[in-house]
Amino acid sequence: GQNIDQPTEMTATEGAIVQINCTYQTSGFNGLFWYQQHAGEAPTFLSYNVLDGLEEKGRFSSFLSRSKGYSYLLLKELQMKDSASYLCAVRGSDNTDKLIFGTGTRLQVFP
Amino acid sequence: SQTIHQWPATLVQPVGSPLSLECTVEGTSNPNLYWYRQAAGRGLQLLFYSVGIGQISSEVPQNLSASRPQDRQFILSSKKLLLSDSGFYLCAQGGWGSSNYGYTFGSGTRLTVV
Repeated sequence: GQNIDQPTEMTATEGAIVQINCTYQTSGFNGLFWYQQHAGEAPTFLSYNVLDGLEEKGRFSSFLSRSKGYSYLLLKELQMKDSASYLCAVRGSDNTDKLIFGTGTRLQVFP
Repeated sequence: SQTIHQWPATLVQPVGSPLSLECTVEGTSNPNLYWYRQAAGRGLQLLFYSVGIGQISSEVPQNLSASRPQDRQFILSSKKLLLSDSGFYLCAQGGWGSSNYGYTFGSGTRLTVV
């Protein structure tokens, strides 16, 4: 089976750092993705990890450990506009490129 | 660059009515295409995917069907809607050949079945 777990909700303060965790158990692995989704909108791509380690893109970083089935998304210098849902998704190892999404983590940033 | 057109943006339909949502893709050929549904406050559930014309794979048993009559057209349908079909429907294109390795999503259709 396929299982992707994330916390349902998190809160943080403007200017702070927040880490959103994702654990997965899938029947194959060929990459992990993080997406940001504002209410009522389509998800937008944030990051992609296929090898172990940290990928940094500005205020956002994503980490992957394949042996542990674990990833996290790190958001630094939080801004009010970062209030959104963050979706973890895993691509399987078949040729369909389909992504299996977790339920998402709703992040609220307070002033 | 790849663009996905999805319409309508919002839809209110009575129980038992038919449904047809359309998704068209520009800027690529032979894309992998996907239909996802998102219930309120939930994650994205994969409904159907297609790797080519006429090729449809269903991920979950349900009241919906999908078709791909042309390379860049993906249609989601139902003959009789249920209340449980309400949700946010998203069409997506696999973009593994693109620089960002991510899906390209359409803007979504919010369906309310009443």
